[in-house]
Amino acid sequence: DTGVSQNPRHKITKRGQNVTFRCDPISEHNRLYWYRQTLGQGPEFLTYFQNEAQLEKSRLLSDRFSAERPKGSFSTLEIQRTEQGDSAMYLCASSPGPGGTAGPQHFGDGTRLSIL
Amino acid sequence: TQLLEQSPQFLSIQEGENLTVYCNSSSVFSSLQWYRQEPGEGPVLLVTVVTGGEVKKLKRLTFQFGDARKDSSLHITAAQPGDTGLYLCAGANNFGNEKLTFGTGTRLTIIP
Repeated sequence: DTGVSQNPRHKITKRGQNVTFRCDPISEHNRLYWYRQTLGQGPEFLTYFQNEAQLEKSRLLSDRFSAERPKGSFSTLEIQRTEQGDSAMYLCASSPGPGGTAGPQHFGDGTRLSIL
Repeated sequence: TQLLEQSPQFLSIQEGENLTVYCNSSSVFSSLQWYRQEPGEGPVLLVTVVTGGEVKKLKRLTFQFGDARKDSSLHITAAQPGDTGLYLCAGANNFGNEKLTFGTGTRLTIIP
């Protein structure tokens, strides 16, 4: 399978704990995106990378959130001191990028985070 | 802030009927993408429309991008139970290589 891969698929943790999610994009895709989706809503943009550079961060990404893509391949999203409002599906997407019309985003199946 | 509103939010129809889902915004997008999402899975890309007035067909699905590139519609002919799912429109600038602004979604149920 050469699609976007996300791990873990599900994460249940207690409030105040730290969690880390991993995303492996489609091979050779330069751009990687993180989105958050709550129940009954469409995904909301969090941040994106062009290779290893983080180019934009949403206001939704508080100081407790940090994302990295150290070698321009896989990415991690860490949430520190989790809060109940962090419960959501965290989606990763990748695209060839940059420029032109070659870059529709392809999504992984997400990590569902539940905060107890 | 760019916003995309979809209507209807929920739609339940009998197998074999036709339906249209609308995606509207006051903002102009360089491209607009339609996705379908099943429970517990990520959105799956159906189509990308780029040119104002563009119409694309995917079997029984017809997608149209408004002339002003602010709105789009998805028409399904002879709906089948396999069409059931959450349909999301998403607008992008720079031809989809930057962040997507997603619509509110239309949850479609096709009754056999």
